[in-house]
Amino acid sequence: DIQMTQSPSSLSAYVGDRVTITCRASQSIATFLNWYQQKPGKAPKLLIYAASSLQGGVPSRFSGSGSGTDFTLTISSLQPEDFAAYYCQQSYNTPRTFGQGTRLEIK
Amino acid sequence: QVQLVQSGAEVKKPGASVKVSCKASGYTFTTYGISWVRQAPGQGLEWMGWISAYNGNTNYAQKVQGRVTMTRDTSTSTAYMELRSLRSDDTAVYYCVRESEEMATIYFQYWGQGTLVTVSS
Repeated sequence: DIQMTQSPSSLSAYVGDRVTITCRASQSIATFLNWYQQKPGKAPKLLIYAASSLQGGVPSRFSGSGSGTDFTLTISSLQPEDFAAYYCQQSYNTPRTFGQGTRLEIK
Repeated sequence: QVQLVQSGAEVKKPGASVKVSCKASGYTFTTYGISWVRQAPGQGLEWMGWISAYNGNTNYAQKVQGRVTMTRDTSTSTAYMELRSLRSDDTAVYYCVRESEEMATIYFQYWGQGTLVTVSS
């Protein structure tokens, strides 16, 4: 199975900050990498697919990059509604493994 | 609009079985696969498996292989996930997810609301 490792596991930041979350795959997955946001008590929401494609309706302050084994999710200017958990997921093969998550909290 | 509506919360005893349903609407059911993802309390997301809504082919995660069965009923556009021999660590919210594909990438665009399954004696 492909292991997905996110860092950091948690992060505190201010509104307006630029933040970056990283995701590393245990083997090359090309650009078969997706990012999700999850708020408490809610289902996850797709943000980015294919490493860098922004899902429709997602604000442009979210961006994704990377290929191979190393990927990043960047939020250019944090808004109050962005404080949530974020997960990467590989779709290179099955099982479609997720990272352990990054909890983004207000400082 | 695409909607996935899941069945309600369940409380089961260890060793019992649970069957969760996921009724799809707003698209042609047989065009897209359905995955099941679960989330234990306070934990991350775990992919359990996938079913082709077209032909019923399945692919299960090794962790639940042998205890899980995913099926679908095309006449009602409903997918099902049955988990047997329940243990306390099966306590989780279970999500059905409709897969989408673009640029050769499969991603989880539409999620059900989740079904809490509690396993407790």
